[in-house]
Amino acid sequence: DTGVSQDPRHKITKRGQNVTFRCDPISEHNRLYWYRQTLGQGPEFLTYFQNEAQLEKSRLLSDRFSAERPKGSFSTLEIQRTEQGDSAMYLCASSFREPTDTQYFGPGTRLTVL
Amino acid sequence: DQQVKQNSPSLSVQEGRISILNCDYTNSMFDYFLWYKKYPAEGPTFLISISSIKDKNEDGRFTVFLNKSAKHLSLHIVPSQPGDSAVYFCAAKRGQGAQKLVFGQGTRLTINP
Repeated sequence: DTGVSQDPRHKITKRGQNVTFRCDPISEHNRLYWYRQTLGQGPEFLTYFQNEAQLEKSRLLSDRFSAERPKGSFSTLEIQRTEQGDSAMYLCASSFREPTDTQYFGPGTRLTVL
Repeated sequence: DQQVKQNSPSLSVQEGRISILNCDYTNSMFDYFLWYKKYPAEGPTFLISISSIKDKNEDGRFTVFLNKSAKHLSLHIVPSQPGDSAVYFCAAKRGQGAQKLVFGQGTRLTINP
């Protein structure tokens, strides 16, 4: 078990560019989550997948954001036309349906929009 | 609307003593609570959880207490060790099998030798 992995770990982009992040969950986990964390705050929920189905999206996820999990394994989070306010740590977590459904987090992708 | 609050941004404790981190919540529908620990440049690591049917859960040096009437939980670490220095987040959700976690702002714990 190698844990949740995310790629890239850091991304610097110019305002208006598109960026895509990848998350690979723990292999047997069927649930996958994206969160965003800004400085001095706790992680905020963005969206959640069970297998390949996107079951919940936060109102924080504007129409510039899209997430996919095409085969129920890895997931991608794309941000189009990035804005400086998108600068944050993007965290991915996964879980396996169990009594407690504990979420295990990856190391995150730090996005800086110049 | 901050539904989960950690009112102490930082806490400093001497090595070997007890560390107590506090968390308050406002949503009475929350019934499952978790603590995560975060080191710089890493994602949050799960520490311990508690269901609302309990008022205490222990795991080694870590104990979580839940006071439902006060909508308050606390994490006790005893004895505190230098490796415990990190940011601690409490999180809450509705139901053990529910999906979305709502996090507090975090408390930075520093253990002094």
